[in-house]
Amino acid sequence: DQQVKQNSPSLSVQEGRISILNCDYTNSMFDYFLWYKKYPAEGPTFLISISSIKDKNEDGRFTVFLNKSAKHLSLHIVPSQPGDSAVYFCAAVKRGSGNTGKLIFGQGTTLQVKP
Amino acid sequence: NAGVTQTPKFQVLKTGQSMTLQCAQDMNHEYMSWYRQDPGMGLRLIHYSVGAGITDQGEVPNGYNVSRSTTEDFPLRLLSAAPSQTSVYFCASSLSGGIGYTFGSGTRLTVV
Repeated sequence: DQQVKQNSPSLSVQEGRISILNCDYTNSMFDYFLWYKKYPAEGPTFLISISSIKDKNEDGRFTVFLNKSAKHLSLHIVPSQPGDSAVYFCAAVKRGSGNTGKLIFGQGTTLQVKP
Repeated sequence: NAGVTQTPKFQVLKTGQSMTLQCAQDMNHEYMSWYRQDPGMGLRLIHYSVGAGITDQGEVPNGYNVSRSTTEDFPLRLLSAAPSQTSVYFCASSLSGGIGYTFGSGTRLTVV
């Protein structure tokens, strides 16, 4: 059973516009959520994260929103740039006592930003 | 500071052969994990470790073994390779578990 789901395999946006990537999770024990970015032939790299006690975290052009009641999070990129073209993975983990570092990923969304 | 080093980068195996994918980190991270990436499936957790001598199964552990005798190394063993194990494998490590995972550059494995 997929605990973290990214239902959109791909997204194409015009340079300068907003990119919105979505993610849903089923395990209510998750208390920390992350987004990773991956270029071809490279390992994923950390992009931005959010704790379950917050509903928004911002870092430059990147903002992550968390809706706990809906078990949904989204990543907003504004403005989008061609260099943002990559695969974006949503991930979730249960931290706190008994933290196993067991990070669960979604299927990924391929973002293409057109010049 | 090399980060997370995976070897080899590419490997072709015949069905039934065994091999070990190596992973080493020089950041003194306690948490380490192995993932496989397949089209449409994302990154799936194979095995993980919270410290030397402690390992546990992830989402897709069948056909793989791990051990963690030192903090630095976390090798992944394929006991009897099958075509279904054709994938790209990533090793990752973290100081605090769950956040700040650093990934290696991956091993592309083909089983024929």
